[in-house]
Amino acid sequence: GAGVSQSPSNKVTEKGKDVELRCDPISGHTALYWYRQSLGQGLEFLIYFQGNSAPDKSGLPSDRFSAERTGGSVSTLTIQRTQQEDSAVYLCASSPTGFSGNTIYFGEGSWLTVV
Amino acid sequence: KQEVTQIPAALSVPEGENLVLNCSFTDSAIYNLQWFRQDPGKGLTSLLLIQSSQREQTSGRLNASLDKSSGRSTLYIAASQPGDSATYLCAVTPGTYKYIFGTGTRLKVLA
Repeated sequence: GAGVSQSPSNKVTEKGKDVELRCDPISGHTALYWYRQSLGQGLEFLIYFQGNSAPDKSGLPSDRFSAERTGGSVSTLTIQRTQQEDSAVYLCASSPTGFSGNTIYFGEGSWLTVV
Repeated sequence: KQEVTQIPAALSVPEGENLVLNCSFTDSAIYNLQWFRQDPGKGLTSLLLIQSSQREQTSGRLNASLDKSSGRSTLYIAASQPGDSATYLCAVTPGTYKYIFGTGTRLKVLA
């Protein structure tokens, strides 16, 4: 597809379960971001990947959160032992080079509800 | 720590009105500022990107200005239409890649 693709679009999970969220960036984009948007809150930076460089994980809120990017393309965000406060929209974005002078393209998000 | 604030949080205007959305940031050391639009249940769409050396950018009925020294940006929407109803977010980049977002302004344009 032409845009950033995220799956699942909606996920309801029980507290304590693990979840995986997937992001397919735009082909050829070297930069990939994960952000979290909680109800009534702004977007919170989680993690940034640029090519084969070590990712910037400074936004991950706890060690229950991890992310990987395979082959410089698809990324998976994993949340272990989910808690109710993890309920949010998880947005993925990609950019041609990661330099902020480029336009950044967002997916439609994965809506996570922890019950 | 960079903080981005958007005022007002919500705005309702009649169709055809010109309007201004405000964005302020606490640290003037930024690379650029972007304005985004977010429709309900959707991701963000970039509207305008202003480099730190620029003072404004225009696209159609949209005009964004940047005053780095005062830590302010405005998004001007001319002749508003119901289709403009959405949440508008601004974001600044203190470094070369990380975006810091405001909480947005929810705009409703009444037909």
